[in-house]
Amino acid sequence: EVKLQQSGDELVRPGASVKMSCKASGYTFTDYAMHWVKQSPGQGLEWIGTIIPLIDTTSYNQKFKGKATLTADKSSNTAYMELSRLTSEDSAVYYCARAVATEYFDYWGQGVMVTVSS
Amino acid sequence: DIQMTQSPSSLPASLGERVTISCRASQGISNNLNWYQQKPDGTIKPLIYYTSNLQSGVPSRFSGSGSGTDYSLTISSLEPEDFAMYYCQQDASFPPTFGGGTKLELK
Repeated sequence: EVKLQQSGDELVRPGASVKMSCKASGYTFTDYAMHWVKQSPGQGLEWIGTIIPLIDTTSYNQKFKGKATLTADKSSNTAYMELSRLTSEDSAVYYCARAVATEYFDYWGQGVMVTVSS
Repeated sequence: DIQMTQSPSSLPASLGERVTISCRASQGISNNLNWYQQKPDGTIKPLIYYTSNLQSGVPSRFSGSGSGTDYSLTISSLEPEDFAMYYCQQDASFPPTFGGGTKLELK
């Protein structure tokens, strides 16, 4: 069974960074790209970027360049996203999602809620 | 970026009713249109890919259609578990973008 298990919710101070994880199981981690999606409170979904674990190649939505950094650890089948210089605009739920071929997301993590507050 | 516009944003409906959700792209997306369901607990589930292909395990009461810039998701007979948010998403052009969502509510 394919599963994407994300790390726990985070409460962080403005200006700080946060790093969240997405542990994949039930499939060959390096066979699929991993994507990250943001959902702001009461809002829709925004694509942040993707990493191809096999070759450690990343691609970002221009809006999130400099904000998000995607990495992957093939030894532990885990993808990571770090968000830097956090502001209240970064308070949201962040999902990881596996992509089949193009950008069709066939499995999603449960989401990580990040709250930026002093 | 391609803008995706869903309508309606809210759709009150009854059990057993047939409903249709629309999604319009700001330019042609050549059937590269996917649909997802989000439950109140945040869980997101894929429903349909490439306009009309049902994801494995999704009930046959769900169907998708469309072409060019206009697409739709139809649920033929609403079940209690279908009341949720629905999002369309295009993957024809970088970056992939989502519609604003449709909340399917019990009337």
